[in-house]
Amino acid sequence: RKEVEQDPGPFNVPEGATVAFNCTYSNSASQSFFWYRQDCRKEPKLLMSVYSSGNEDGRFTAQLNRASQYISLLIRDSKLSDSATYLCVVPNYGGSQGNLIFGKGTKLSVKP
Amino acid sequence: NAGVTQTPKFQVLKTGQSMTLQCAQDMNHNSMYWYRQDPGMGLRLIYYSASEGTTDKGEVPNGYNVSRLNKREFSLRLESAAPSQTSVYFCASSTGAADTQYFGPGTRLTVL
Repeated sequence: RKEVEQDPGPFNVPEGATVAFNCTYSNSASQSFFWYRQDCRKEPKLLMSVYSSGNEDGRFTAQLNRASQYISLLIRDSKLSDSATYLCVVPNYGGSQGNLIFGKGTKLSVKP
Repeated sequence: NAGVTQTPKFQVLKTGQSMTLQCAQDMNHNSMYWYRQDPGMGLRLIYYSASEGTTDKGEVPNGYNVSRLNKREFSLRLESAAPSQTSVYFCASSTGAADTQYFGPGTRLTVL
């Protein structure tokens, strides 16, 4: 299994839809996780941190399943402004990738 | 409240030329990072500095050197640019290992 794996998409959804992204990770020792958002030609920005079983922030819900080693991000009532690439991020313990491993991202396009 | 700043924003080099990318953060973070992002490849770590006075190789260090000038500044140098180094370069910083990373706006580099 790759260290962090995401479905690249693109996910094309209408405004108001609910969409979910999954991310799987291989390091079972990981304790905290992150979802970042990256707009086209911009830098990644933190969307949510996930430290226990899950976290909710408005229309966004992140859930963690340690037994199956996956993290999900649910977006309810999608807005046009949610169109972006969503990066799943997992801590790295040792190795040459520094402290965080970034997934390649899932692209979301919300249409009117 | 600048966060992480990078200069320059854009650069075009000829093969064999050298240049230094500058990064500075004003958040009193201990750790700093340099990534490159290519289409379909996601973020790849070039070098990182866990604390002032230390630097370590990341996943793709060949062709690059870094200097942690002080706690605020972390520079990336290309000694002899190659077309394969055409990419978007992001600098990031964090409080410590496995903590949230905050990114600069990026440098778009083209090597002809």
